[in-house]
Amino acid sequence: EAGVAQSPRYKIIEKRQSVAFWCNPISGHATLYWYQQILGQGPKLLIQFQNNGVVDDSQLPKDRFSAERLKGVDSTLKIQPAKLEDSAVYLCASSRGQGFYGYTFGSGTRLTVV
Amino acid sequence: AQKVTQAQTEISVVEKEDVTLDCVYETRDTTYYLFWYKQPPSGELVFLIRRNSFDEQNEISGRYSWNFQKSTSSFNFTITASQVVDSAVYFCALSEDTPLVFGKGTRLSVIA
Repeated sequence: EAGVAQSPRYKIIEKRQSVAFWCNPISGHATLYWYQQILGQGPKLLIQFQNNGVVDDSQLPKDRFSAERLKGVDSTLKIQPAKLEDSAVYLCASSRGQGFYGYTFGSGTRLTVV
Repeated sequence: AQKVTQAQTEISVVEKEDVTLDCVYETRDTTYYLFWYKQPPSGELVFLIRRNSFDEQNEISGRYSWNFQKSTSSFNFTITASQVVDSAVYFCALSEDTPLVFGKGTRLSVIA
């Protein structure tokens, strides 16, 4: 079974620029998550999708972050404009569901904002 | 509200020593799930174990073992005879049938 694919692997941008990350989950996994992991901390949920609908985006800074999963498969997370504090690893995960089902994580995108 | 506390920020051991990583959780639900993930230097989170709240049996998988105690809200992870390849950051996580909530992680360094 192919894993969760993410790209790019690394990205360096200047503050106030925009950036987009892409995620392709495991085939058949209806639930997709984006997590933000700041250096030295545990991952923090940004947004959860069930198929192509948003289930939880309560922790997404909506003034600058947006995400979509148009066809219920792959997803894009965008930051516009980026701030220095957005420097982090952005992890995508997919699952058959919540709770009982563990998540499979991608390798992440390491974003550095300078 | 859900909360996971991993009080040990960093642990350093010499190869072949046993090491225990602590995890304490808070939840108001009676049904919940606990997880451990490993994050090697490559950055990917690797699933190690899942335990539901109704199953307090300890589990052993090779050199890894987990001790779940509801009375103390703890789900500790022990590595027996540690190896250099065990060096990583280990995360404990909790789900109340909601997205995973992670602790801050424990960085384990195993020295040859």
